[in-house]
Amino acid sequence: NAGVTQTPKFRILKIGQSMTLQCTQDMNHNYMYWYRQDPGMGLKLIYYSVGAGITDKGEVPNGYNVSRSTTEDFPLRLELAAPSQTSVYFCASSPLDGKANYGYTFGSGTRLTVV
Amino acid sequence: GENVEQHPSTLSVQEGDSAVIKCTYSDSASNYFPWYKQELGKRPQLIIDIRSNVGEKKDQRIAVTLNKTAKHFSLHITETQPEDSAVYFCAASIRGGSNYKLTFGKGTLLTVNP
Repeated sequence: NAGVTQTPKFRILKIGQSMTLQCTQDMNHNYMYWYRQDPGMGLKLIYYSVGAGITDKGEVPNGYNVSRSTTEDFPLRLELAAPSQTSVYFCASSPLDGKANYGYTFGSGTRLTVV
Repeated sequence: GENVEQHPSTLSVQEGDSAVIKCTYSDSASNYFPWYKQELGKRPQLIIDIRSNVGEKKDQRIAVTLNKTAKHFSLHITETQPEDSAVYFCAASIRGGSNYKLTFGKGTLLTVNP
């Protein structure tokens, strides 16, 4: 049971390039999320998904896209990277059942630098 | 939407002292309040959580209290140790809804001095 796995761990992008941050979970969780964490700051929600085929915007979705074709995978796509997207990106998942309640499980993060 | 305020932003204590971090939330419908600990360069990890039908919960040196009337909840760490040094985040959500997502506070950097 690997939990939530994110790849890559580190990446340097040039302005205008695109990339996909991968996230997969093996806990059969319905809910999945993408957060970004700027240096010394809290966690801001980019996008989230309540199940395969369903996605919704968080508070900072501009410049990003997501898809959820399977329960396990929730990739985050950056189009036309900008320096403002330099951040640490965390993927997280959570079970649907509110009774067995352990909050989010986070991945180990992707540290992205746009130069 | 939900708004979570967290104080203080930094907290420095001597080893063995207690530490208290406080959060307030805006949405009276919120019913689930987890706390996360994030060590430098690591992922946030859940350390304790509380639901709105409970006023207090303890797990060894860590406790959380909830005041629904005041929309206020707090993390208490007793007998602090250097390994407690980290950033702590509170969060709030409406658990069980179809739109489940956590709103996080901005974090508290706790430093425990030996």
